[in-house]
Amino acid sequence: GENVEQHPSTLSVQEGDSAVIKCTYSDSASNYFPWYKQELGKRPQLIIDIRSNVGEKKDQRIAVTLNKTAKHFSLHITETQPEDSAVYFCAASPPPPLSGGYNKLIFGAGTRLAVHP
Amino acid sequence: DGGITQSPKYLFRKEGQNVTLSCEQNLNHDAMYWYRQDPGQGLRLIYYSQIVNDFQKGDIAEGYSVSREKKESFPLTVTSAQKNPTAFYLCASSTGTGGNLGNQPQHFGDGTRLSIL
Repeated sequence: GENVEQHPSTLSVQEGDSAVIKCTYSDSASNYFPWYKQELGKRPQLIIDIRSNVGEKKDQRIAVTLNKTAKHFSLHITETQPEDSAVYFCAASPPPPLSGGYNKLIFGAGTRLAVHP
Repeated sequence: DGGITQSPKYLFRKEGQNVTLSCEQNLNHDAMYWYRQDPGQGLRLIYYSQIVNDFQKGDIAEGYSVSREKKESFPLTVTSAQKNPTAFYLCASSTGTGGNLGNQPQHFGDGTRLSIL
């Protein structure tokens, strides 16, 4: 089955710097890669996702890149702000069954990002 | 996402007791999921359901049971057979993935924190 590894487990940056979190996956059939942000004691919130037919996607200060050949994808946050401090999770999803119905997301272990003023 | 409501926020279980966690969604989503989150780990899938009266075991289903009698509701019971139930439990939902829709984003509730008394 799919396995997702996420690095680093903790990341500390100064406000205004960039932050990069990397994930690798094992199942070459996986074709959907969401990123979630989780603040302490709160629900994970989807911040960006990418499908395997695209190599990069941007949304303001957040971007995700995907390298299908190497089976890794990365989250890039530019101009970091203290409110970006949270745990970030990547996930990979193999194609849904032909009959449809559900996604199966396999999550990385998370990266705790601390942005210092 | 305000459309997914989990209750209670905190729950305590006594030895030998079954407890039920509630999850309700008003997003008209077909698929619903239960995840367990332990400190320093990613989310692990317990059970999922793609349609009313149908559900499937995830990666860590032992000691848990679910039902899906209504589209809006997917309660999780933590049975006495689950020897290490202390964790943060998250419910999620997504639209169906039939046809060419492919994988769809999963949206999470606020979670229930379960502890042993």
